[in-house]
Amino acid sequence: GAGVSQSPSNKVTEKGKDVELRCDPISGHTALYWYRQSLGQGLEFLIYFQGNSAPDKSGLPSDRFSAERTGGSVSTLTIQRTQQEDSAVYLCASSLQPRAGDGANVLTFGAGSRLTVL
Amino acid sequence: DAKTTQPNSMESNEEEPVHLPCNHSTISGTDYIHWYRQLPSQGPEYVIHGLTSNVNNRMASLAIAEDRKSSTLILHRATLRDAAVYYCILRDLRSSGGSNYKLTFGKGTLLTVNP
Repeated sequence: GAGVSQSPSNKVTEKGKDVELRCDPISGHTALYWYRQSLGQGLEFLIYFQGNSAPDKSGLPSDRFSAERTGGSVSTLTIQRTQQEDSAVYLCASSLQPRAGDGANVLTFGAGSRLTVL
Repeated sequence: DAKTTQPNSMESNEEEPVHLPCNHSTISGTDYIHWYRQLPSQGPEYVIHGLTSNVNNRMASLAIAEDRKSSTLILHRATLRDAAVYYCILRDLRSSGGSNYKLTFGKGTLLTVNP
């Protein structure tokens, strides 16, 4: 597709359940990013994938959070044993590979997946 | 990443120009200045970026101070559709390695446009 696609757009789950959020990046974009935005807050970086390199997981808030990217394209963010504080909008973005001197590298974001944990 | 400071909110009238300021006094020589905006219920979208010189594109203009310690995003004629949170972000894209690939978002400026 022309943009970054995320699914589901809305997910309501019960505390303790596992959830999977999917991101389909723009074709040809080798870099993929996950962010989280809690109500009324700014965007919080979670994880970054670039090609076949080891992902930067430095933003994952706990070991209940994990993400994978299969075949260098689609990514899945998994939250195990969800808690109420996990309620947020989870945003995925993709870009061409950031390179030194390429100031024009920009991220294209999806519309997000809104997660509500009851 | 170097820190940016923006006003929490600003208000404008439709069809008037809007100047959104951003202070980045600790900017390094390798930092680009990027602006993104987030419309209600949407993901952020790229607006404009610059390094040293002023920049214009179809969406906005970016005026960068000579010492690069501040910049201003200019919307020449605000429309209701421009109501959004505007983020000023420094991104080290001139050097390789490090964590220069990710955007670090602050709280941004909430722009309200009055009809």
